[in-house]
Amino acid sequence: EAQVTQNPRYLITVTGKKLTVTCSQNMNHEYMSWYRQDPGLGLRQIYYSMNVEVTDKGDVPEGYKVSRKEKRNFPLILESPSPNQTSLYFCASSHRGPNSPLHFGNGTRLTVT
Amino acid sequence: AQKVTQAQTEISVVEKEDVTLDCVYETRDTTYYLFWYKQPPSGELVFLIRRNSFDEQNEISGRYSWNFQKSTSSFNFTITASQVVDSAVYFCALSDHLNTGGFKTIFGAGTRLFVKA
Repeated sequence: EAQVTQNPRYLITVTGKKLTVTCSQNMNHEYMSWYRQDPGLGLRQIYYSMNVEVTDKGDVPEGYKVSRKEKRNFPLILESPSPNQTSLYFCASSHRGPNSPLHFGNGTRLTVT
Repeated sequence: AQKVTQAQTEISVVEKEDVTLDCVYETRDTTYYLFWYKQPPSGELVFLIRRNSFDEQNEISGRYSWNFQKSTSSFNFTITASQVVDSAVYFCALSDHLNTGGFKTIFGAGTRLFVKA
């Protein structure tokens, strides 16, 4: 089954404790992206990757890192999480090109205390 | 610069009513793509439709229809004879090219639709 898999689904952590949210897709998509969803703000792009070893900042990259060593994986790293990073995170992938719809993972709800 | 505005934060209707969700966009690109996604209470994001900037034909899919008007930079979504299962947050999105050769997809803030039985 074609899918984008994010883990974990829920995560509660404390300020400053490094964490990684994994994302994997099995559709051979070139493009992958991370979004955060906050009430009243919709989905805002954190980072995106056009292909392996090619990543770039989205609209809200501060406090996040990503890597794209393999085509299928695009982990999101929070080196020192802060409470303002409490949010619902979505990983998405698509074929290369702006005309391709995004396929989303099921989301990761992160709480930083 | 890109921008997507969904001015309606929440809409509440009674089952079988028709409802229109508004979406207004801004872009400098002449070739761009517009999308609608649905987020039901379970939380996943589901693609509904895509329109190209050069194709202004309206589209109907069952009870759903989309009205794309370049003259007003709008891409509105109408649900006819709404049902409780239509209750969800609906996002409008715009995708266009970057100067770097890549592309970017941005989303509106979403409209939460409540359909009461």
